[in-house]
Amino acid sequence: AQSVTQPDARVTVSEGASLQLRCKYSYSGTPYLFWYVQYPRQGLQLLLKYYSGDPVVQGVNGFEAEFIKSNSSFHLRKASVHWSDSAVYFCAVSAADNNAPRFGAGTKLSVKP
Amino acid sequence: DPKIIQKPKYLVAVTGSEKILICEQYLGHNAMYWYRQSAKKPLEFMFSYSYQKLMDNQTASSRFQPQSSKKNHLDLQITALKPDDSATYFCASSQGRPAETLYFGSGTRLTVL
Repeated sequence: AQSVTQPDARVTVSEGASLQLRCKYSYSGTPYLFWYVQYPRQGLQLLLKYYSGDPVVQGVNGFEAEFIKSNSSFHLRKASVHWSDSAVYFCAVSAADNNAPRFGAGTKLSVKP
Repeated sequence: DPKIIQKPKYLVAVTGSEKILICEQYLGHNAMYWYRQSAKKPLEFMFSYSYQKLMDNQTASSRFQPQSSKKNHLDLQITALKPDDSATYFCASSQGRPAETLYFGSGTRLTVL
């Protein structure tokens, strides 16, 4: 079975600073990897996903993530954060056998003005 | 217009009672899911259905029963409610193929007194 670890429960950065949110997955096969964002009192929305190919994938609003197989990681990055990026970010992994994605515990991002 | 409708938005129940959480999706998707989010276990996978058939069940308790009366419906019946069942329950849908994006509803916040 697959699982995800997001080691940072909370991250605070200043507006305009760069961002990295960490994600490590556990799965013996080829993973499908996702980052979702959750704004207050809403459901989750997809930021980006990785299936195969170029290990750096681009998402919405300037977010990108890099799949590093040797490290079982899929960290999320953004070059310059905006206050509106404040939200909870979830990393998820899905197996190739069509089972439902499993999510990490989430990282709450706070952007200081 | 929301494409995944969850009803009700808020629900208060007494211990031992039974409630049904409603989910309808208008995205034409073949697969539907239930996830639960609480302070103790953030975004926990519960069930997945594909073409109205149960694909995966990670819920240990038989008190939780999904019900799919139509292709675009996946309701969740919870019996003998306990305070620990208090959580936000999210319905989601996808095309059902591996690694497809999940689309989430805005959730039903259940409080059990």
